[in-house]
Amino acid sequence: AQSVTQLDSHVSVSEGTPVLLRCNYSSSYSPSLFWYVQHPNKGLQLLLKYTSAATLVKGINGFEAEFKKSETSFHLTKPSAHMSDAAEYFCVVGNSWGKLQFGAGTQVVVTP
Amino acid sequence: GAVVSQHPSRVICKSGTSVKIECRSLDFQATTMFWYRQFPKQSLMLMATSNEGSKATYEQGVEKDKFLINHASLTLSTLTVTSAHPEDSSFYICSARLKTGLNSNQPQHFGDGTRLSIL
Repeated sequence: AQSVTQLDSHVSVSEGTPVLLRCNYSSSYSPSLFWYVQHPNKGLQLLLKYTSAATLVKGINGFEAEFKKSETSFHLTKPSAHMSDAAEYFCVVGNSWGKLQFGAGTQVVVTP
Repeated sequence: GAVVSQHPSRVICKSGTSVKIECRSLDFQATTMFWYRQFPKQSLMLMATSNEGSKATYEQGVEKDKFLINHASLTLSTLTVTSAHPEDSSFYICSARLKTGLNSNQPQHFGDGTRLSIL
């Protein structure tokens, strides 16, 4: 069985400041982990994925995430938030058949 | 690359109407496509897994006779909401996964979703 928990339902940051979105997972085997972003009334866009090749994963738009097995975490970060980063972010764990389990999502608000 | 097109983007129709939603992988072959439903301010809920050339696999609680899925080719899956009622109003999103022998680490690529409103 697997599950994913996003620790913050809502994050508010000022433009130009760092962003941290927290995610913890539970899996009985080495998981595949993903971060997706969803803008209003849109589908999901893949930001990055972890597949055991490297613990620090770099994604698009300046985002990166670090896989920490000891903490069962896969937090998403960005050094400097941009207004266009305002969106909903989903941490996702995939099983061996490719079925995805979504976290509840974190709403990011960026203020000028 | 890995573009998924979903059509239509928005549908408004009367109760009792059947509505078909198309999901196409434009630049890759997708053995498997997935259909999700998303309620306002909530996460995605998997409805069914659509496999090319075989019957779809539905998640528990999803009525297969209500939500008909057809995956006729490696680039097209359709979801038909039959005899739609107001409670079927929702945001429906499809995704497709690249045809590959290793499923677990291949990401799913999502369409832009269909906003279905039943009056």
